[in-house]
Amino acid sequence: NAGVTQTPKFQVLKTGQSMTLQCAQDMNHEYMSWYRQDPGMGLRLIHYSVGAGITDQGEVPNGYNVSRSTTEDFPLRLLSAAPSQTSVYFCASSLQGALGYTFGSGTRLTVV
Amino acid sequence: GQQVMQIPQYQHVQEGEDFTTYCNSSTTLSNIQWYKQRPGGHPVFLIQLVKSGEVKKQKRLTFQFGEAKKNSSLHITATQTTDVGTYFCAGKGGATNKLIFGTGTLLAVQP
Repeated sequence: NAGVTQTPKFQVLKTGQSMTLQCAQDMNHEYMSWYRQDPGMGLRLIHYSVGAGITDQGEVPNGYNVSRSTTEDFPLRLLSAAPSQTSVYFCASSLQGALGYTFGSGTRLTVV
Repeated sequence: GQQVMQIPQYQHVQEGEDFTTYCNSSTTLSNIQWYKQRPGGHPVFLIQLVKSGEVKKQKRLTFQFGEAKKNSSLHITATQTTDVGTYFCAGKGGATNKLIFGTGTLLAVQP
């Protein structure tokens, strides 16, 4: 039981490049979310999903896309990277929305 | 939109002193969750409160949910160096499925 797995752990992108941050969980959790963490700003919700085929926007969705084709996977796509997207990205999952979330170990992204 | 604020942003205590962080939401919450993040780590779920006025304890940690379900607090008795980290509250407002995190309180404990 690996929990929530995020890849890669570190990534450097050039402005304008696109990439996908991977997130997978093996706990059969329905709910999955993406957060970004910036110094002094806590965790901000980017996108979330309450089940396969269902996604919705969070607090800061611009510049990011998500899809949820399976229960296990919830990839986050950066369409055209910008320096403002330099951050630590966390994926999290929960069995039900009313239960605590399990977080992955994060992806540290730098956009130059 | 829903906003969740925490105070203080930073707290430095001597080992053995007590510590409290406060969480305030702009909207009524259906539940409140608390997480701890060690430096360089990821958030780890501590507890969830659901009922108005609810109080829960975990060893030296006491969690409270306000009567109006718009505020919460975490109190640590006799802090230890292992308590170092950032404590976040997170809540869902009304019928939304969005879990919104507070700004966090960084706790430093001096031995």
